[in-house]
Amino acid sequence: GQQVMQIPQYQHVQEGEDFTTYCNSSTTLSNIQWYKQRPGGHPVFLIQLVKSGEVKKQKRLTFQFGEAKKNSSLHITATQTTDVGTYFCAGPSGNTGKLIFGQGTTLQVKP
Amino acid sequence: DSGVTQTPKHLITATGQRVTLRCSPRSGDLSVYWYQQSLDQGLQFLIQYYNGEERAKGNILERFSAQQFPDLHSELNLSSLELGDSALYFCASSGFGGEGQPQHFGDGTRLSIL
Repeated sequence: GQQVMQIPQYQHVQEGEDFTTYCNSSTTLSNIQWYKQRPGGHPVFLIQLVKSGEVKKQKRLTFQFGEAKKNSSLHITATQTTDVGTYFCAGPSGNTGKLIFGQGTTLQVKP
Repeated sequence: DSGVTQTPKHLITATGQRVTLRCSPRSGDLSVYWYQQSLDQGLQFLIQYYNGEERAKGNILERFSAQQFPDLHSELNLSSLELGDSALYFCASSGFGGEGQPQHFGDGTRLSIL
């Protein structure tokens, strides 16, 4: 079946360092979504990418959708303690709205 | 506040028992999704309802069932509970059941089986 994989599973960085998480799908995606889950919280939608090669920025966060629409990345510049949490990518499975989530990358930031 | 309400927040019960988790979607959202999140695990899709009808199914156990009512709230029923069912159960909603809709998650119900 369709799989969405993320690496790394965990990342510890010093505050101010950059961070990147990578997402790979076993199938071509029509779009990809990114969510953030703070410790003890629920996933919160961050962004959706639709076009091949698309790059979108939200302040220090840069999201990229691969040319083949099978991979994506999230890059955070100069991490802050507020960036702590688990970042999930998710791709659609079928056209019902159902999403397949990656396992997530948990980011820890040392002040 | 996502606008999605889940009750109860915590549930502690014993093996073999049955529980019902409740979800009220965001106002205007027709689609409801249920997920299971175990410790250090990702979000496992269980089932989706759209406007009262089952729309998509994931790896939902036969002991689990769900429904969506005319007022669009949804319930997830878990029966013959086992220790391995201990997890955080999230409900999410989206505007309609089509592709490309962001999902809005509730705060979850933490289920502990003793």
